[in-house]
Amino acid sequence: DIQMTQSPSSLSVSVGDRVTITCRASQSISNYVNWYHQRPGKAPKLLIYAASTLQSGVPSRFSGSGSGTDFTLTISSLQPEDFATYYCQQTYNTHAVTFGGGTKVEI
Amino acid sequence: EVQLVESGGGLVQPGGSLRLSCAASGFTVSSNYMTWVRQAPGKGLEWVSVLYSGGNTFYADSVKGRFTVSRDNSKNTLYLQMSSLRAEDTAVYYCARGRDSSGYFPFDYWGQGTLVTVSS
Repeated sequence: DIQMTQSPSSLSVSVGDRVTITCRASQSISNYVNWYHQRPGKAPKLLIYAASTLQSGVPSRFSGSGSGTDFTLTISSLQPEDFATYYCQQTYNTHAVTFGGGTKVEI
Repeated sequence: EVQLVESGGGLVQPGGSLRLSCAASGFTVSSNYMTWVRQAPGKGLEWVSVLYSGGNTFYADSVKGRFTVSRDNSKNTLYLQMSSLRAEDTAVYYCARGRDSSGYFPFDYWGQGTLVTVSS
């Protein structure tokens, strides 16, 4: 299976900060990466797909980049509602999807 | 409006069985990539299984041979039949739709989750 390694595992930030989360795949997966965030007690929510395409309704402060094995999610100016756990996901192999371990963004 | 509603979770003894349901509205289950994802308490997301529109199914190694995904087209509902349950299967189970966006299949809609607890 393709392993997705996320870093950091946690991040202490403040409102207004620029936040960058990285994800590395164990093999080249083109741009088959999606990003989600999950607030406590809630289901995950899709933010970015195909590495850099913003899901409809998601604020433009979220952006994604990368191709091959290295990917990045950036939040340009963190808002209070962005405190959550973020996950990357590969769908290069749709028979065996895998997620990164998660990055908890907290104050 | 697209909606997914899971049910069927609960407390089950090790070695027992349970069937989860995921009732869909606003789209057709049989025309989509449908998946189950679980999350153990305090842990990350783990993909469990997929049922393609064409009927093919695939499973994570951790559940292969014990879990079966299926659908009832007349009820527009996805199922996960779980057997030989172990303590490590304790988790919140989510169903989700993988949207066929040029082959990327991002999981764009998720249910609210149903908790399965395996304990004696």
